[in-house]
Formats: sequence, structure tokens, C-alpha cells
Amino acid sequence: DAGVIQSPRHEVTEMGQEVTLRCKPISGHNSLFWYRQTMMRGLELLIYFNNNVPIDDSGMPEDRFSAKMPNASFSTLKIQPSEPRDSAVYFCASSLIEGQPQHFGDGTRLSIL
Amino acid sequence: LAKTTQPISMDSYEGQEVNITCSHNNIATNDYITWYQQFPSQGPRFIIQGYKTKVTNEVASLFIPADRKSSTLSLPRVSLSDTAVYYCLVAEGGTYKYIFGTGTRLKVLA
Repeated sequence: DAGVIQSPRHEVTEMGQEVTLRCKPISGHNSLFWYRQTMMRGLELLIYFNNNVPIDDSGMPEDRFSAKMPNASFSTLKIQPSEPRDSAVYFCASSLIEGQPQHFGDGTRLSIL
Repeated sequence: LAKTTQPISMDSYEGQEVNITCSHNNIATNDYITWYQQFPSQGPRFIIQGYKTKVTNEVASLFIPADRKSSTLSLPRVSLSDTAVYYCLVAEGGTYKYIFGTGTRLKVLA
């Protein structure tokens, strides 16, 4: 079975540019999560969706970050404009329902120059 | 905000049992405690999940005391391939925000 698929795997761009990260959850999973991982702050939850509806976005750092889930098989995390401090690995995860084990993608390593 | 802390690192030899504890002082009363393993350049991978007392699967055991303020992941007879970073994941009491522990870097030596 296909796991959670994230794209791109790596992204390098200059500050000020718009960045879009993509995620395809496991088919049939109703919860989707976006995390960020840095050395300083570890793994942090940014936002999660249940049945395509955002439930908790309190972890989104600021208005430059936005996430959407237009349907059950696709989600995006957008940063506009990007800044060097946004450099991190961004993970998407999905679970059958909230509370069940989350299955993670391999992440997008983002570098903002 | 709930504090979810783990030892930074641990060393062990092949064949030994390893116990990693996560302290979580304020977690949701009706949500699970979950442990993950992470290798470099990969996403966290599910190991085990429990709510209370003891849970065992084919790779690990999870011990959770009655007050649920901590949990202990037990890896029996570790091998070199178990070298990784291990994280607990809990839901914060009140907000139900998911919070990862600080992570424990386990190094298994031959």
C-alpha cells in the first residue's frame, strides 16, 4: 500500500518567494497533520484536519503560513513570503481517525536562502 | 503548555533491554500515548500505542502508570538497527493539541 506521499522532497529557494508543499494522505484516512522539525524546536504540530476541515491551526507560526485540504486526497502548506527562519523539514502525516496512529511521509527539506 | 520530556540520549549494547521514559505532566484524559522511531532523512514511524497499564506488540512494550504522567517504552534485545531517535506523542490536556516529546537518541553498540 502507498504511504503518505510528500512533494517535493527538497526545496531550495530565496527569501521572499512563495513555497508550496504538497501531501497525499493514505487513502481512507480522515485525519491529516502538518508538522515542522528543527534542531532547536524538535517536532511541532502546525495544523491538522479532520474530514478536510481544519481543527487546530494554533501551531501555524504566523499569517505567512496557510494550509488547505480541498479534498480527502490532497493537502498543501504554503509559505508566502518565505524567510530563512522557515528552513526546516516539514512532515505530513495521516491517520484513520483522530487518536489513531499517525503515518508519516518522508518530509520536505526546505531551505530558504 | 504541557511539558513532554525525554532523556536526550542513551547507549546500549546489542541484546540488552532498553527502557526509555517520557514525562508528560498534563495530557488529555481520554487520548492515547504513542511512540515513534525516526531514522535520519525519514519520517517518524509508529512503534506502539497505549492508554493505560501495559501494551505489548511484536517489537516493543509500553508501560503507563495509573496517573498517566509518564510512559516507558521497552525494547527487548536491541540490535544495531534499533539505533534511532525515539519520540513519545501525547495530546495536551484541555487543548488536545498533539505534542511530541523532546526525543531520545538511542545508540546500540556491538
